[in-house]
Amino acid sequence: GAGVSQSPSNKVTEKGKDVELRCDPISGHTALYWYRQSLGQGLEFLIYFQGNSAPDKSGLPSDRFSAERTGGSVSTLTIQRTQQEDSAVYLCASSFAALQETQYFGPGTRLLVL
Amino acid sequence: LAKTTQPISMDSYEGQEVNITCSHNNIATNDYITWYQQFPSQGPRFIIQGYKTKVTNEVASLFIPADRKSSTLSLPRVSLSDTAVYYCLIYGGATNKLIFGTGTLLAVQP
Repeated sequence: GAGVSQSPSNKVTEKGKDVELRCDPISGHTALYWYRQSLGQGLEFLIYFQGNSAPDKSGLPSDRFSAERTGGSVSTLTIQRTQQEDSAVYLCASSFAALQETQYFGPGTRLLVL
Repeated sequence: LAKTTQPISMDSYEGQEVNITCSHNNIATNDYITWYQQFPSQGPRFIIQGYKTKVTNEVASLFIPADRKSSTLSLPRVSLSDTAVYYCLIYGGATNKLIFGTGTLLAVQP
């Protein structure tokens, strides 16, 4: 596939459960980004990776959120002890290099916490 | 921390030129300005990027004044398929954060 892919496309979970969201960037892209978009809202930046490193994790909403990237490719966003306010679309994007480069977005994972 | 604001919505008719402005008063010296388009249930899609003055590509133009505290996305002769939300994006300088504008819903009517 030529684009950014994310899985699952939809996830329904119960409050208190942990969830893992996966992002497969475009091959060769060294930078990877995670965003959150609540219903009818704008895009909230969460974190970005340059290679396997995340220079700044302060954009993550709480300590229940964590992200990692291995092998300079796939990234996982983990939300522990999910809360109803975590319900949103989680978008992943990648680019050739960090920050100023054009980002290519995946279709997102729609998370619903009941 | 840089803050970007946009009009919440705009209305237009097919064939008209539409200009959407983004205010970014705290933009840093090295920051580029990028605009994205988002359709419902899809991820944003790159439209155009610029640093200063004017940039034009096959779909849009971007105007940036000398003080760079705002930017204007210009869409020539819009069609119904241009109905979407448009976001400006600024790299938040030394904060290592990316800041999307509040988004502008453009509604194009026949």
